[in-house]
Amino acid sequence: KQEVTQIPAALSVPEGENLVLNCSFTDSAIYNLQWFRQDPGKGLTSLLLIQSSQREQTSGRLNASLDKSSGRSTLYIAASQPGDSATYLCAVKDTGFQKLVFGTGTRLLVSP
Amino acid sequence: EAGVAQSPRYKIIEKRQSVAFWCNPISGHATLYWYQQILGQGPKLLIQFQNNGVVDDSQLPKDRFSAERLKGVDSTLKIQPAKLEDSAVYLCASSFGTGGWEQYFGPGTRLTVT
Repeated sequence: KQEVTQIPAALSVPEGENLVLNCSFTDSAIYNLQWFRQDPGKGLTSLLLIQSSQREQTSGRLNASLDKSSGRSTLYIAASQPGDSATYLCAVKDTGFQKLVFGTGTRLLVSP
Repeated sequence: EAGVAQSPRYKIIEKRQSVAFWCNPISGHATLYWYQQILGQGPKLLIQFQNNGVVDDSQLPKDRFSAERLKGVDSTLKIQPAKLEDSAVYLCASSFGTGGWEQYFGPGTRLTVT
């Protein structure tokens, strides 16, 4: 059974810092891995999708990497801003049951 | 391109009442998902449709939850009767197909059961 873990559970940084969020998963047989952002009371916004054959994806100040063999992904946020404050969720889609399995998220607070 | 639409956005009911949620996926998306997200947790898949057929409902509490996707487009999720532990955000998502296609999420319905 696929399990996804995110560390840390919460993170507080001053504006301008570069930061890394971590995601690990137990079964490397995956189609892809997605990073989502969730604002309080809102739905999920997809940030980056990494297919299993890819090593990383970039969008603006965000860079996500995938090491399938070790079951790990990182989301790097450069030059953080207060508007980046949200919960960040990692999810993997495994090839067995073909459903997204989510971690519990990292709650990020960027202070001005 | 219009995103995934859900209604209502918020619902408050008493335990043992019934409630229904509606979802309209992105046009052309064959796969539709309903997730339950309890506060402080990641979303958990309740049911997955491929067109109007059920692909996976292994985590759907079938004694009280039901879902349908008539005509393979929009979908409804029903809870009858509701329990306190059903308080959660119910998220609908869609994708072009199964496999490695990206899932797109709606804004969710926040259900409070008192």
